[in-house]
Amino acid sequence: NAGVTQTPKFQVLKTGQSMTLQCAQDMNHEYMSWYRQDPGMGLRLIHYSVGAGITDQGEVPNGYNVSRSTTEDFPLRLLSAAPSQTSVYFCASSSGFPPYEQYFGPGTRLTVT
Amino acid sequence: GNSVTQMEGPVTLSEEAFLTINCTYTATGYPSLFWYVQYPGEGLQLLLKATKADDKGSNKGFEATYRKETTSFHLEKGSVQVSDSAVYFCALSDPGSSGSARQLTFGSGTQLTVLP
Repeated sequence: NAGVTQTPKFQVLKTGQSMTLQCAQDMNHEYMSWYRQDPGMGLRLIHYSVGAGITDQGEVPNGYNVSRSTTEDFPLRLLSAAPSQTSVYFCASSSGFPPYEQYFGPGTRLTVT
Repeated sequence: GNSVTQMEGPVTLSEEAFLTINCTYTATGYPSLFWYVQYPGEGLQLLLKATKADDKGSNKGFEATYRKETTSFHLEKGSVQVSDSAVYFCALSDPGSSGSARQLTFGSGTQLTVLP
C-alpha cells in the first residue's frame, strides 16, 4: 500500500514551458486535491476532485489545469510556467466521508526560472 | 469564509520543555479540526483531529482540545524531544458544507526547533 505518490520529486522549468505533475493514490479515495505551499502562507488549494470526471477550482486555480479520468490518478498541468509558480506542490486524497481528513503525498518542488 | 490563524514562529525550545502552539479559527459551519506535522523534506502527516466541541485529539504525546466557545484548537505537549522538530499546521474542514469547504483550510504553519 503506497498511499499517495507524486512524481517528479524535483523539477526546474523555464518560463513559458509546460509540464504535468503526476499524482496517484491506491486507497480507493473519491476525493483528491492539489495544494501549493509557499513560505509564510501555509497550503493553498489549487484544484480538487470529488470523483472521476468531476473537478472544481480552489483558491488559486489560475495557470493550472486538472482532469480526473480514473479514481487513482489526478494530474496537475501547468500550461505556461511563470516564476510565480515556483513552489512546493502537494497532492492529497480523502475518503469522501466526514471529517474529510486528507492524506498527503511527498510533494514536488518546482522552480521556474 | 473559513480561516485559520496560528501563532507566528519560529519557536525554539530546549528538550523536555512544555510546548503550546496557538490556533484559532473562523468557520461558517461546524468544522472538524486537525493538526498536521511536516518533517524536513517530507509531506504532511496527520497528527491528531477533533470533530466536535470538547473533543480532545491526542497522538505521540501531543494533545489539542476543540474549544467552540473560544474557537480555538491549541496544540500542547508536556515534554518535547529533538525529534519533534518540524513544521506544525492547524487546519479545518467543514463537513456540513459542499464543494471546496470540505477541503482543508490551513494556517500558515509554525516552525518548531527543539535543542538538545
